Amino acid sequence: DAGVIQSPRHEVTEMGQEVTLRCKPISGHNSLFWYRQTMMRGLELLIYFNNNVPIDDSGMPEDRFSAKMPNASFSTLKIQPSEPRDSAVYFCASSPGPETDTQYFGPGTRLTVL
Amino acid sequence: GENVEQHPSTLSVQEGDSAVIKCTYSDSASNYFPWYKQELGKRPQLIIDIRSNVGEKKDQRIAVTLNKTAKHFSLHITETQPEDSAVYFCAAIPGGGYNKLIFGAGTRLAVHP
Repeated sequence: DAGVIQSPRHEVTEMGQEVTLRCKPISGHNSLFWYRQTMMRGLELLIYFNNNVPIDDSGMPEDRFSAKMPNASFSTLKIQPSEPRDSAVYFCASSPGPETDTQYFGPGTRLTVL
Repeated sequence: GENVEQHPSTLSVQEGDSAVIKCTYSDSASNYFPWYKQELGKRPQLIIDIRSNVGEKKDQRIAVTLNKTAKHFSLHITETQPEDSAVYFCAAIPGGGYNKLIFGAGTRLAVHP
């Protein structure tokens, strides 16, 4: 199994630009999570999906952030427009489902907004 | 909502010593408590977990204990080695369904040869 796949691994962009992060969960997993990690705020849950449906997006910081999961094998996290304070490592994680708790993290995308 | 507090924030030990990291949680309905290890520049990786119907779980040099009454759980690493140096995160899933993890702030463990 390839594990959770994220792309790009690194992204450098300028303030005001649109950024799209991508995630492919482990095949057969029904739950998908987006986290943001910074030194100041640690690991924060942004949004999670179950069976492609957003369940809780209370962690999404602002309207500039949006996430979609059009099918069971793909999700995107979009930031538009990006700001320097969005610089962080963004992790995607997947889990077999709500009755199975273990979450498996992807390698992360390091985002730098100049 | 659930709140997870983790102590200490940094921990320095000599190789071969034991290390203990403690976490408390607020939601008495929480039922799953994983521990993740994150090496520099890497992803968090699950090292051990415990569920609310178990008081202790051990895997080689790593053990986790859970006290539901006091709402705290701890990670114990024995015979520490330099490769144990990393940031360790505890987490909890609050009650109410769906496996939404709430993480502690992390403990940076340094094991000195």
